[in-house]
Amino acid sequence: DVKVTQSSRYLVKRTGEKVFLECVQDMDHENMFWYRQDPGLGLRLIYFSYDVKMKEKGDIPEGYSVSREKKERFSLILESASTNQTSMYLCASSPPQGSGTPLHFGNGTRLTVT
Amino acid sequence: AQTVTQSQPEMSVQEAETVTLSCTYDTSESDYYLFWYKQPPSRQMILVIRQEAYKQQNATENRFSVNFQKAAKSFSLKISDSQLGDAAMYFCACPTSGTYKYIFGTGTRLKVLA
Repeated sequence: DVKVTQSSRYLVKRTGEKVFLECVQDMDHENMFWYRQDPGLGLRLIYFSYDVKMKEKGDIPEGYSVSREKKERFSLILESASTNQTSMYLCASSPPQGSGTPLHFGNGTRLTVT
Repeated sequence: AQTVTQSQPEMSVQEAETVTLSCTYDTSESDYYLFWYKQPPSRQMILVIRQEAYKQQNATENRFSVNFQKAAKSFSLKISDSQLGDAAMYFCACPTSGTYKYIFGTGTRLKVLA
């Protein structure tokens, strides 16, 4: 089974802090994604990466950046955390989309910014 | 722009009964996949069922089946013989052809009553 591991289940940070959310997958997937989940808004794509060092903005990239130095690891960075970034963050991975293969998700990180 | 709409924020079903969750989508593609994901309180997003748009036959996985109406762009999920463990958030999703982006609906919270 594919395993996607997010380093923290719960995180509490202060406004202005630089925050790193880490995600590791063990199935050699090319694609990795960061989603934000908020009640009533569903899942919104922040960034995705289709290869090492490659990244593309999703629908809500403002205030976020990402890093993918190794194929198995995809990090989400909040440059200066703000209270409106309090949310659930979900990492996912998949093989190349052409196969119609679904996303494989981590357990999520619930981030609170105070 | 591609959209996915889930018009039922919350549904309830009696244990052992049948419930249908609605999803409509909008895409200009002729060949695509549609997915239903389940997110239980543990937060792990799990694939429930997948439908290939060019297939006429509705997908079925044990107690889960879909009613796929391509012309109407409707993709509803039917859960038969509902069990307490079916209680979760359910998300409908459609990958965007030509990109790696998956569009998610806003989710339906399903409650199963004993």
